[in-house]
Formats: sequence, C-alpha cells, structure tokens
Amino acid sequence: NAGVTQTPKFQVLKTGQSMTLQCAQDMNHNSMYWYRQDPGMGLRLIYYSASEGTTDKGEVPNGYNVSRLNKREFSLRLESAAPSQTSVYFCASRQGQAGEYFGAGTRLSVL
Amino acid sequence: AQSVSQHNHHVILSEAASLELGCNYSYGGTVNLFWYVQYPGQHLQLLLKYFSGDPLVKGIKGFEAEFIKSKFSFNLRKPSVQWSDTAEYFCAVNAGTYKYIFGTGTRLKVLA
Repeated sequence: NAGVTQTPKFQVLKTGQSMTLQCAQDMNHNSMYWYRQDPGMGLRLIYYSASEGTTDKGEVPNGYNVSRLNKREFSLRLESAAPSQTSVYFCASRQGQAGEYFGAGTRLSVL
Repeated sequence: AQSVSQHNHHVILSEAASLELGCNYSYGGTVNLFWYVQYPGQHLQLLLKYFSGDPLVKGIKGFEAEFIKSKFSFNLRKPSVQWSDTAEYFCAVNAGTYKYIFGTGTRLKVLA
C-alpha cells in the first residue's frame, strides 16, 4: 500500500524558476492538502481540496497554485520561486473527520 | 479563530523518565483532537485521536492523551520513554471544517 506519494523528494531551484510538486493518494480519500513545514512554525496549510473539483486557500497561499486533477492527484505549483519558499512541503489526504495521512515530503531549496 | 499552543518547544529526558507534553487549543465548540509524531527525516504519523467519549485516549507505542474540556487541553503522556521516542510531536485540532490547525511542535530528545 503506497498511501500518499509525493514527487520529487528533493529539488533545488533558482529564484524565478517554476516547478510543480506532485501528490497522489491511493486510499480513495475525498480531501487533500498541501502544507509547508518551517522550523519553529509547525505545519501551515497552503491549499486544500475538500473534494474532486474544488480547491480553497489555506493559511499561506500566496505564491502558489494548485490543481485537483482527479480524485487521486493534487498538485502544487510555484510559478516564480522565491527564497522565502524554501521549505519542506507535505501533501496529505483524509476521509471524513479521521486523521490525515501524510506523504514523505519534498525538501525544496530556492537559491 | 482556532489556534493550538504547544508551550514546550524542546524537551530532553533520560530513558525511562515520564513524559507529558502540553497542548492547549482555543475554540468553544466541539473539536476533534490529534497528536502526530514525526521521526527524524520522516513524515508525520498519527499517534492518537479524540472525537468523543472517554477523555483518556490510548494510542500507539504506549502513548496516551487526556482531553480536559474545561482547560481546553489535550496533553500527551507516556509513563516511560525510550530512546526511539526521539522525535517531534505535533498537536492538531479540527473544529468541524476541512482544515486542521497544527501546533508549532515539541522536539523531544531522549538520552540513552
């Protein structure tokens, strides 16, 4: 059982470059989430998708866009990367009010 | 707005010591509460959760948490920690929305 799969695991970008972080879950969950984790700040929600076809802003959406491609996949795009976006990004999925299942994370550095 | 506070940012214990990590939340209504653990270099994993019923919740690996509604608290406990419990622990609250609010985390280091 793969659970939640994120790619890539590591990425280095130059300021201004763009990239897409991919996330897929095989648990048939309705809700999917993108978080960023920074030292001393815990996890902050960037965007979420309550169900296929819907997306909503979280706590820190600026500089990001998302696409809920289908029920399985939820991608996060950085159109013009900035050093402030250096972080570890986690995708998660959930069904109902149960706990969230997290992917292994993407460590992104923006130079 | 909902918020979650974890007042202990770093905790250092010796093996076999007892552990209690604090978690307080701000929300007046019905909440679902969670504790997650993140081992070094890994993703978050669910330790335990509280939805309703018995306020003392038992989770995996010998952890438990007590929901005290009057104190808006959901503290995590373990009677005797092991070196392998070295990790970062996050408290989270969900108040009936699609969003979870996470605390800033507590880094636990257990000395062998």
